[in-house]
Amino acid sequence: GAVVSQHPSWVICKSGTSVKIECRSLDFQATTMFWYRQFPKQSLMLMATSNEGSKATYEQGVEKDKFLINHASLTLSTLTVTSAHPEDSSFYICSARDRDRGFHTGELFFGEGSRLTVL
Amino acid sequence: SQQGEEDPQALSIQEGENATMNCSYKTSINNLQWYRQNSGRGLVHLILIRSNEREKHSGRLRVTLDTSKKSSSLLITASRAADTASYFCALDYNQGGKLIFGQGTELSVKP
Repeated sequence: GAVVSQHPSWVICKSGTSVKIECRSLDFQATTMFWYRQFPKQSLMLMATSNEGSKATYEQGVEKDKFLINHASLTLSTLTVTSAHPEDSSFYICSARDRDRGFHTGELFFGEGSRLTVL
Repeated sequence: SQQGEEDPQALSIQEGENATMNCSYKTSINNLQWYRQNSGRGLVHLILIRSNEREKHSGRLRVTLDTSKKSSSLLITASRAADTASYFCALDYNQGGKLIFGQGTELSVKP
């Protein structure tokens, strides 16, 4: 149980294009999802908190117009990197909290990540 | 900064040895969690310890928390080559459930 599916697992795009990454909770409902970014050999940096049915909350320094987050249902959140540039190349990881268990367990369930390369 | 500081950054040991990694933080937490990440993959939750707990065990894992020193340690006993991965502590500051990750310890277990 508690599987989070992230798609695509890797994507290569040209500079200036937009890329959408999907994060789905397959066997639980997630009112809250979190998007992280990870550069090679570094830690995960929280980008934003995605709340179902409301606007995402962005961390300081993260451009909300650059990284569009939509959490349209209890099982799906999307991250769109708009007008991507080479410096946006990174490993993007989503995570979700089980609406029914997460409050008590506190743990997050992670997707397998999406590696974005912008040429 | 709310990010945890981990040490060592890298640790190389032989199979069968124990591995200890540490995490320190600066402000009060709700709970502290440890995660594992294999190269290029997502993270897997290992163990959670609440602020009112001092020690927890799960299989070969032992986690301690000292809130007076604002530090935690993760001990992996009788390590195996399959334990090779990066290990991250994650801090829950009771801010809507988000976790702030430490810098990670890269563990290499040689057969």
